[in-house]
Amino acid sequence: GAVVSQHPSRVICKSGTSVKIECRSLDFQATTMFWYRQFPKQSLMLMATSNEGSKATYEQGVEKDKFLINHASLTLSTLTVTSAHPEDSSFYICSAIQGGDYNSPLHFGNGTRLTVT
Amino acid sequence: AQKITQTQPGMFVQEKEAVTLDCTYDTSDQSYGLFWYKQPSSGEMIFLIYQGSYDEQNATEGRYSLNFQKARKSANLVISASQLGDSAMYFCAMRTANTGNQFYFGTGTSLTVIP
Repeated sequence: GAVVSQHPSRVICKSGTSVKIECRSLDFQATTMFWYRQFPKQSLMLMATSNEGSKATYEQGVEKDKFLINHASLTLSTLTVTSAHPEDSSFYICSAIQGGDYNSPLHFGNGTRLTVT
Repeated sequence: AQKITQTQPGMFVQEKEAVTLDCTYDTSDQSYGLFWYKQPSSGEMIFLIYQGSYDEQNATEGRYSLNFQKARKSANLVISASQLGDSAMYFCAMRTANTGNQFYFGTGTSLTVIP
């Protein structure tokens, strides 16, 4: 149980275009989903917390107009990288919590490797 | 403030040997959970093991065990009988009762299993 599906797994786009990444909880309802960015050989950097039916909460330094997050249902959150530039190239990974207690782990998607040319 | 510290950027272990990956944490909350994740080179984050702050026994999951020393605020991951497939990044993480859904991650340890 507790499967999170993320796609695409890999995307290459041209500078100036937008890219949408989907994150779905397949067998549970996720009121909260998280979006992380990871640079090579580094830890996860939280970008934003996505709550179903409300606006996402962005971490300091993350441009909310560039990284649009929509949590339209209890099983789907999307991250859209708008007007992508080469510096947006990175590994993006989503996660969701199945339960609200502190003993509930995060369940992660497989990540999306974005390359902007 | 909540913090997770992993002081070993890289570790090597001989196949079939056991290895300990260190993790210390800092929190003033009494109720918290500690988690370990494995990230192979393919990128996915795999949940390995969980330890709750009130758990009196160390958690075990197959070849993974957690050496929980509450007074020292450490939660080290022990991998027994290492396999080549264990080569990956390992992250320690914490979640507390008073910080909502926030998870705190360490910087990770890169483990290489040598045949």
